[in-house]
Amino acid sequence: SYVLTQPPSVSVAPGQTARITCGGNNIASKSVNWYQQKPGQAPVMVVYDDGDRPSGIPERFSGSNSGNTATLIINNIEAGDEADYYCQVWDSSSYQHVFGSGTEVTV
Amino acid sequence: EVQLEESGGGLVQSGGSLRLSCTASGFAFSRSWMAWVRQAPGQGLEWVANINQEGSEKHYLGSVRGRFTISRDNAENSLHLEVHSLRGEDTAVYFCARQGVLTGYYQEPLDIWGQGTTVTVSS
Repeated sequence: SYVLTQPPSVSVAPGQTARITCGGNNIASKSVNWYQQKPGQAPVMVVYDDGDRPSGIPERFSGSNSGNTATLIINNIEAGDEADYYCQVWDSSSYQHVFGSGTEVTV
Repeated sequence: EVQLEESGGGLVQSGGSLRLSCTASGFAFSRSWMAWVRQAPGQGLEWVANINQEGSEKHYLGSVRGRFTISRDNAENSLHLEVHSLRGEDTAVYFCARQGVLTGYYQEPLDIWGQGTTVTVSS
């Protein structure tokens, strides 16, 4: 089945830019979604279809997808952005949704 | 307010069964694919199953196929997951999630999530 690879952790200073990668074979051919999960809470979708933002999500959150890597970008990062972030795609070969292993972001 | 609320979790012995439920409110439930996603203690998210609007199309994670059954009742705005032959590795928080109508693709992203219900399988 399709595998998504994320770094276990990313550490960024407040006000700087965090880039969280999600690697997969020809991932550019897929629509990538990103979720934020804070401890003890349900996940929240922060980016969908590679780079679109749901209503209520700050413009600081954006995404890109090219080649074998999709990236979630958080500009001007704040302490409140500390969370685990997961990428996700639909694998049409196995008819399954697939999540990456998650990246812990520390500010 | 758009909301999903799960129930039915609990402590069950290995080999046992449970029926998880999710009640939806604040949106047109019958128009959305729905899904179950689980998270084992200290681990990441794992998609379990999903179902189309009419309940006629269902997809499952390989390791649960044949043991878990997803269903829905559009008249009651409810989603269900029957889990059988439970194993220790099924211990997790089980989240109900809506697949929104955002992209027009065959499979939409998971835009609304419930708070989850905990299933603990003891040996």
